[in-house]
Order: sequence, then structure tokens, then C-alpha cells
Amino acid sequence: TQLLEQSPQFLSIQEGENLTVYCNSSSVFSSLQWYRQEPGEGPVLLVTVVTGGEVKKLKRLTFQFGDARKDSSLHITAAQPGDTGLYLCAGLYSSASKIIFGSGTRLSIRP
Amino acid sequence: SAVISQKPSRDICQRGTSLTIQCQVDSQVTMMFWYRQQPGQSLTLIATANQGSEATYESGFVIDKFPISRPNLTFSTLTVSNMSPEDSSIYLCSVRDRANTGELFFGEGSRLTVL
Repeated sequence: TQLLEQSPQFLSIQEGENLTVYCNSSSVFSSLQWYRQEPGEGPVLLVTVVTGGEVKKLKRLTFQFGDARKDSSLHITAAQPGDTGLYLCAGLYSSASKIIFGSGTRLSIRP
Repeated sequence: SAVISQKPSRDICQRGTSLTIQCQVDSQVTMMFWYRQQPGQSLTLIATANQGSEATYESGFVIDKFPISRPNLTFSTLTVSNMSPEDSSIYLCSVRDRANTGELFFGEGSRLTVL
């Protein structure tokens, strides 16, 4: 059973379109992260959100942490082929030092 | 940041054999993590490797199958024992940043194929 469920699992859209990826859990996290992974490489951190309701922007990417700190979303505006990759949310528990990854969303942007 | 080197980067192994993956970090770190990533899927935490004590394993992973060593603050090994085709996967070593802000840094992974 995946503690962090992401949706959609796969997404293929045209360049220039907008998209949202969701990360949901029944657990409360002290913070939540988003990573992107490209083939043959390890995941790379995009952002960490800490406060419930927090919104962070990274160029065309907007990240939001749910008020109850159980869920998060990633919105990409005007997607570009360079956005292609595996997007992973990851949750940190306040009582533990480990980080648990979500089920992943594989994004493909067509030119 | 941290630079992590893993060896081997890939290997093809026979059923029933064991393989040890090495992870070297360019700085001293308290905690190192081993993850498994099956083809096309997300990362699953195998265990946390602590220097000076036994590794802490997650549910579904046991020391007999995945023995871990952590001889110092910059190095760890993960052994995949008595391999079967189901062990075919990418194994990733990871460390937390020095400031412990939570960011994980990863090696490029070791891709194992078991025939």
C-alpha cells in the first residue's frame, strides 16, 4: 500500500498546455518535497513546502501544501519538452528522519 | 550539496548469486539511505544505514537478504543476497544534506538485472 498516492500516474500533453499533478495521503507530514527524475539519474529536489497552505513558485511551476499537511499539488504552466520526466512527491514525518516517496507521475511533453 | 558515487553502475547477475553495491560520498554524513526503484516505478526505502550501529530496515526488507555495512561517515555498502529475477531493479544510495533541511541527494543508481 502506497502511503503517498499521486495522480495521474501518466500524463502526455502538448507543449504550451497547463497541467496539475496531485499528491495525497491520509498521514500528516512535517514537510513535503517534490523531486524530478530523468532517465539514468537520481531524483533532484525541486522544492520543499513546510507550512499548511503554503504556496511556492519556481518559474512556471507552482507548488501548494494542503492546509492539513496531508496533500500537495504541482501545477505547471505552459509546459515545455524540458519538463518531461518522473515527478515524485516525498513526505517527511516529524517523528522520523526518513523520507517516503509517492507513487510517481510520469510526464511527457510533446513538441 | 553532496556528490555520491555508486559502483557498479549496472550489472547482470545469475540467479542465486549475491552482489555488493558500494556508495561513496564526498563529505561526512550521519545518515545514508538505500532505496529500490523497480522499472517505471517510484522509490521504496529499503533501510537507513547508521554509522556505528546496525541498519534500520523498513517493512518487507530483512538483513539476511539485504545486509548493509557502514564502516565510516562517507561509505556504505548494500548486498543483494541470493538474487532472483524479482530483485532486478535500480538500487539508489542517498544522503541528507548537512544542514539537515531534508533535501536528499542521490547517486546515479546501480541497475541490476538478474537472469
